[in-house]
Amino acid sequence: SQTIHQWPATLVQPVGSPLSLECTVEGTSNPNLYWYRQAAGRGLQLLFYSVGIGQISSEVPQNLSASRPQDRQFILSSKKLLLSDSGFYLCAWSVGGSYQPQHFGDGTRLSIL
Amino acid sequence: GQQVMQIPQYQHVQEGEDFTTYCNSSTTLSNIQWYKQRPGGHPVFLIQLVKSGEVKKQKRLTFQFGEAKKNSSLHITATQTTDVGTYFCAGYNNDMRFGAGTRLTVKP
Repeated sequence: SQTIHQWPATLVQPVGSPLSLECTVEGTSNPNLYWYRQAAGRGLQLLFYSVGIGQISSEVPQNLSASRPQDRQFILSSKKLLLSDSGFYLCAWSVGGSYQPQHFGDGTRLSIL
Repeated sequence: GQQVMQIPQYQHVQEGEDFTTYCNSSTTLSNIQWYKQRPGGHPVFLIQLVKSGEVKKQKRLTFQFGEAKKNSSLHITATQTTDVGTYFCAGYNNDMRFGAGTRLTVKP
């Protein structure tokens, strides 16, 4: 069966520090991968999605970036975090193609001080 | 661009009462999906609707897709405390857009 791993579960970072969140998927090949951010009590904001290695689409221009160095690995990064980057970051995968349900990881709660 | 609006934002019910959340799109959707997020958890896929006028049931949950494929609803009959969480719709038209969610609380 397919599983998705996301770490760390919680993270506290100072303003201006770098960020690297990692997500890996097991049990499937060539998945679509997604990064979302969820502010407290709010909806899901799609940040990036990828349909293949090295293919990244950005939804929201900001100081975050994403990379997909391997088929089942998706990384969210920042060179300098802002206070507004605080939130709950969720990675998700779906079977390649359209209309497919998304399966979410447990998320990372990021607090910027 | 495509927008998916979801109402209400919050709903507080007494256990045993019914609950409904509505999802409306500015454009015709290819499909719509529903997810549930328990407090402190991550969204979990519930169901997908594809056909115009489609109705699907999962125990006490009834999902509907409008005839024009621009709106959808999730109805829970006789809520239980285990129904607590935020329910999201996600509409697909070239890409997937999530609604803001409806947070359901249930008083025992």
